[in-house]
Amino acid sequence: NAGVTQTPKFQVLKTGQSMTLQCAQDMNHNSMYWYRQDPGMGLRLIYYSASEGTTDKGEVPNGYNVSRLNKREFSLRLESAAPSQTSVYFCASSERFGPSGAFFGQGTRLTVV
Amino acid sequence: QQPVQSPQAVILREGEDAVINCSSSKALYSVHWYRQKHGEAPVFLMILLKGGEQKGHEKISASFNEKKQQSSLYLTASQLSYSGTYFCGTLSQAGTALIFGKGTTLSVSS
Repeated sequence: NAGVTQTPKFQVLKTGQSMTLQCAQDMNHNSMYWYRQDPGMGLRLIYYSASEGTTDKGEVPNGYNVSRLNKREFSLRLESAAPSQTSVYFCASSERFGPSGAFFGQGTRLTVV
Repeated sequence: QQPVQSPQAVILREGEDAVINCSSSKALYSVHWYRQKHGEAPVFLMILLKGGEQKGHEKISASFNEKKQQSSLYLTASQLSYSGTYFCGTLSQAGTALIFGKGTTLSVSS
């Protein structure tokens, strides 16, 4: 049982490059989330999707786009990477209203130089 | 919108107790608690629903005061394995966006 799978685990980008972070869950969850984690800032919500076909902005959406491809997959795209986007990115999923909590992927450590 | 956690850091010796608080200015459907070990992903501990119900997980328990929009996490007789960063997460009334606080770092030494 894989849970939440994120790819890649590590990535180095040059300023201005684009990339897509992939996330897939096998728990049949409706809700999926993308967070970024920076020292002292906790987990900040970038975008979320409450169900297949819907996406909404979170706390820090600028510079990012998302796609809920189907119920399993939720991708995060950086169109033109900036050094301020250097962070650890986590994808998570849960049932709506989260009665069993959210399950997190192992994270992607992204460095933009 | 981000819930406020206090304290920011706690240093304990094995066997001591600690309380971590989480408060929000918005009406909440539920409060989640997670623990993250260094270099790992956050792991779900428990959820508190409206009604002030207290939940337990090993020697870790929590409460939720719906009127005050506050939750507290209680760690009793702490163990070395309790070290990590604890996050509270709050879920909106619509049950969609899960927003986390900045975390409380707990260090337990022998």
